[in-house]
Amino acid sequence: DVKVTQSSRYLVKRTGEKVFLECVQDMDHENMFWYRQDPGLGLRLIYFSYDVKMKEKGDIPEGYSVSREKKERFSLILESASTNQTSMYLCASSFLQGPGDTQYFGPGTRLTVL
Amino acid sequence: DAKTTQPNSMESNEEEPVHLPCNHSTISGTDYIHWYRQLPSQGPEYVIHGLTSNVNNRMASLAIAEDRKSSTLILHRATLRDAAVYYCILRDPGGGADGLTFGKGTHLIIQP
Repeated sequence: DVKVTQSSRYLVKRTGEKVFLECVQDMDHENMFWYRQDPGLGLRLIYFSYDVKMKEKGDIPEGYSVSREKKERFSLILESASTNQTSMYLCASSFLQGPGDTQYFGPGTRLTVL
Repeated sequence: DAKTTQPNSMESNEEEPVHLPCNHSTISGTDYIHWYRQLPSQGPEYVIHGLTSNVNNRMASLAIAEDRKSSTLILHRATLRDAAVYYCILRDPGGGADGLTFGKGTHLIIQP
């Protein structure tokens, strides 16, 4: 079975702190994604990567950056955390590109910014 | 991605079949129909997908209407662990990797 792991289930940070969220997948998938999920707003794509060192902006990239130095690892960085970045962050990976691809999600990191 | 419409919630009894409907009247000929579910406090989980023909896997079955304007996810024998929000989405062949967009989904409640 595909396994996507995220570094923390719960995280509490202060406004202005730099925050790193790590995601690792063990199935040699090409594509990796970072989403945030908020009540009433559903799932929103922040960034995705289709290869090592490649990244593409999603729908809401402002205030975030990403890093993909190795195929299995995709990091989300909040350069200066703000309270409106309090959310559930979900990482996913997939093998294929296109409409037939299946995304496998990690358990999520619930981030609270005080 | 084209829009889908699902009931807000459904209730079923344990060990009975569950049929979760999804309407997608504006589906294009090349859109795939995907279902995901999200259990409480967990990340979304892929359930099944199809294009035109009905599909079966170990988790569920997907019945697609002949005109493809609707589909039904079938859980053959619901358990308490199937209580989750179920999302029906369409994926178009735009090319390249792209993100998923979930609507509000159907909150499935399973009664013991």
